[in-house]
Amino acid sequence: DTAVSQTPKYLVTQMGNDKSIKCEQNLGHDTMYWYKQDSKKFLKIMFSYNNKELIINETVPNRFSPKSPDKAHLNLHINSLELGDSAVYFCASSHLGTLYTQYFGPGTRLTVL
Amino acid sequence: DQQVKQNSPSLSVQEGRISILNCDYTNSMFDYFLWYKKYPAEGPTFLISISSIKDKNEDGRFTVFLNKSAKHLSLHIVPSQPGDSAVYFCAAAANFGNEKLTFGTGTRLTIIP
Repeated sequence: DTAVSQTPKYLVTQMGNDKSIKCEQNLGHDTMYWYKQDSKKFLKIMFSYNNKELIINETVPNRFSPKSPDKAHLNLHINSLELGDSAVYFCASSHLGTLYTQYFGPGTRLTVL
Repeated sequence: DQQVKQNSPSLSVQEGRISILNCDYTNSMFDYFLWYKKYPAEGPTFLISISSIKDKNEDGRFTVFLNKSAKHLSLHIVPSQPGDSAVYFCAAAANFGNEKLTFGTGTRLTIIP
């Protein structure tokens, strides 16, 4: 059983397109996260949702919009993709207040051409 | 501003010897520190953590040491095994319970059989 799953694993698209990455967790966690790992290998948090409510919103272009239809899902929509959006995006989940047990998904490698 | 730094991008260690991975931080508000391990094509997995009220935490072959005055922590793996070959990320959080983790750029550890 996959604890935190992401789809797709790879995404290649043209500049200017709109794309989505889906994340699902079956751990019963109440908090989910999106991280971006850029070409310099920095792993930086983008957003966090607790019980479908946004609790962390780092300085991210408003072309990025997270959507949490329920506690088990946190999707990432990206509009008007740019070359600099190319990165690996990781979803994670945990129980609020237990940040040391963040479980990460396998990542989605996004390449913008 | 890189608040968590891992200055060694890579490290090679003979099997059976000790591996020492280092991490420095600049933000004096950080009070909780974690190490994550990452295999290729997988998300990071939690390894071990330490709060700022301690200077050492041990879990089997893994020990994390914290030197608050030097703003430095290290991960010791003894004895090193081939399965330990991975990228190790140091992470920090300010105020235990704050869900925002700040990551270093990782150190690739290679265990030589």
